[in-house]
Amino acid sequence: DAKTTQPNSMESNEEEPVHLPCNHSTISGTDYIHWYRQLPSQGPEYVIHGLTSNVNNRMASLAIAEDRKSSTLILHRATLRDAAVYYCILLIQGGSEKLVFGKGTKLTVNP
Amino acid sequence: GAVVSQHPSRVICKSGTSVKIECRSLDFQATTMFWYRQFPKKSLMLMATSNEGSKATYEQGVEKDKFLINHASLTLSTLTVTSAHPEDSSFYICSARDFLRQGFTDTQYFGPGTRLTVL
Repeated sequence: DAKTTQPNSMESNEEEPVHLPCNHSTISGTDYIHWYRQLPSQGPEYVIHGLTSNVNNRMASLAIAEDRKSSTLILHRATLRDAAVYYCILLIQGGSEKLVFGKGTKLTVNP
Repeated sequence: GAVVSQHPSRVICKSGTSVKIECRSLDFQATTMFWYRQFPKKSLMLMATSNEGSKATYEQGVEKDKFLINHASLTLSTLTVTSAHPEDSSFYICSARDFLRQGFTDTQYFGPGTRLTVL
């Protein structure tokens, strides 16, 4: 499985935008970029995924570099409920379907 | 939609007993379910992939005779921890893929997790 690299932790202030980076320099053409987050003592929650183009949904935006070797999850206005561990995962569409979780980025949101 | 439940949410048992954890997809059919284990302050580790009507596929290092998985229907998978010991204490989480959306997305929907404590 292709690897991703994320910062261990980040901090943000409430109601400010947050940009969570992810490096995936060994990504292949069939790898989709998925983001999940895990709130304390809960199961992970799907956030967003994309292949080449930037993606938006009600939770976040995903900006994918032109060479696809990095991506950024954008939370437009962080709230206290966004405090979680965010995981960037590469997944081959139609492949083994297995999500391989790295260490993720622990996001702290300050009031 | 796309809700996955787990039962029980917490269980405490004595060493040597067996514990069964249920994972249900409430509003969709799941041909594939996954079981993960998470130790404190660690990331999730995939234990096995469960396909409806067939044997589970276990990850390397996971004992299939200790962690019995049954996926008898499109909405239910169970994980039984047999002869549990204190080192099996962990947070067990299941996830499921939406059968009808297969091919459109590989999104997995996760359950809330089951906290197992073995005394």
